Amino acid sequence: EAGVTQFPSHSVIEKGQTVTLRCDPISGHDNLYWYRRVMGKEIKFLLHFVKESKQDESGMPNNRFLAERTGGTYSTLKVQPAELEDSGVYFCASSQGHRQNTGELFFGEGSRLTVL
Amino acid sequence: GQSLEQPSEVTAVEGAIVQINCTYQTSGFYGLSWYQQHDGGAPTFLSYNALDGLEETGRFSSFLSRSDSYGYLLLQELQMKDSASYFCAVANQAGTALIFGKGTTLSVSS
Repeated sequence: EAGVTQFPSHSVIEKGQTVTLRCDPISGHDNLYWYRRVMGKEIKFLLHFVKESKQDESGMPNNRFLAERTGGTYSTLKVQPAELEDSGVYFCASSQGHRQNTGELFFGEGSRLTVL
Repeated sequence: GQSLEQPSEVTAVEGAIVQINCTYQTSGFYGLSWYQQHDGGAPTFLSYNALDGLEETGRFSSFLSRSDSYGYLLLQELQMKDSASYFCAVANQAGTALIFGKGTTLSVSS
C-alpha cells in the first residue's frame, strides 16, 4: 500500500511568487491534514479536511494560503504571494475514519519550501 | 487551547536508557501520542496513551499520568539509529487534529 506522497520535495522561490504543494493521501483515508514545521519549532497544524470539506482551518496563517481537496482525494496547498516567513517544511498527513482519536496519523515526507 | 512542553535536546550513549518528558495543557484530553522524525523524513507514529500507565512496544515505552498532565517516552538499549527528533502530541479541543510539541532532539553517540 502506498503511503502519503507529497510533491515537490523541495521548492525554492522568490518572495512574491506562487507555489503549489500537492499531497496524495493513503487511499481510503477520509481525513487529510496539512502541517508546517519552521526550523527548530513545533509541527504546527494548518488545516484538516474530511473528504472534500474543510473541517478546521484555524491554523492557516493568513489569506495568502489556500488549500483545496478535489473530490476528496488529493489536496493542494497554494501560497500566493509567498513571503520569507513562509519558508519551512510542509507536511501532509492522513488518517482513516476517527483514527485521529487514537493519535495515529500517517505523514508524508514533506515539501521543503525556501522563499528567498 | 493546547500547549505542550518537552526538553529541546537530550544526549545519550549507545546501550543507555533515556526518558523524554512531556507536560501538556489542554481543554479537552483524548490521549497523548508520540512521534519520531529522522532528519528529512516523515514523522512516524510511535505510541498512544489514553489511560494512565505504561505501554510497552519493544525497546520503546510510553507512560501517561492524566492527573499530572504528564507523560514520557522511554527508550531502552539505545542505538545510533534512534538519533532523531521526538514529538509528543495531543488532540485539539474538538478531537479532530493533533497539536504537537516543539520536539526533543535525541543524539546517541557511541
